[in-house]
Amino acid sequence: DTGVSQNPRHKITKRGQNVTFRCDPISEHNRLYWYRQTLGQGPEFLTYFQNEAQLEKSRLLSDRFSAERPKGSFSTLEIQRTEQGDSAMYLCASSLDDTGAFFGQGTRLTVV
Amino acid sequence: RKEVEQDPGPFNVPEGATVAFNCTYSNSASQSFFWYRQDCRKEPKLLMSVYSSGNEDGRFTAQLNRASQYISLLIRDSKLSDSATYLCVGTRGKLIFGQGTELSVKP
Repeated sequence: DTGVSQNPRHKITKRGQNVTFRCDPISEHNRLYWYRQTLGQGPEFLTYFQNEAQLEKSRLLSDRFSAERPKGSFSTLEIQRTEQGDSAMYLCASSLDDTGAFFGQGTRLTVV
Repeated sequence: RKEVEQDPGPFNVPEGATVAFNCTYSNSASQSFFWYRQDCRKEPKLLMSVYSSGNEDGRFTAQLNRASQYISLLIRDSKLSDSATYLCVGTRGKLIFGQGTELSVKP
């Protein structure tokens, strides 16, 4: 399967713990995006990369959230000191420049 | 004003109907445009790109009007399987999503 891959698919964590998600984009894609989505809402922008450079980060991405794409390939999104409000589907997508982006199946986070 | 706005619906239509979704955008979301489809609890899937010249893919036709900052999606002969949320997306580096329009096609 050469689509966007996200791991894990599901994560249940206790409030206050740190979690890390991984995204492997389509191999020739230079852009990688992270979004968060809750039920009934559209995807909410978190951050995006062009190759290894993080070009934009949402103001919603508090200092508890950090994302990296160290070699311009896979990316990780870390949430420190998780809160119940962080419970959501975390979506990763990739594209070649400004062409249509393809999404992974997402990581569903539940903070208990 | 939101950068990309669309009517949230829901649109409830019978099978075989023609349904049109509209979307407006601000200058800040004005590089490229796309329509995505999202089924419940699934990821968004790219449906089609949108060009000023208009483009058609089977029963689906998309149109962009840059002068009016308006995007449309027309679905002809709707099927039960078309039931989903349709997301209008602009770009400015990042993807800028509208809030989505829910479509329910009934027998």
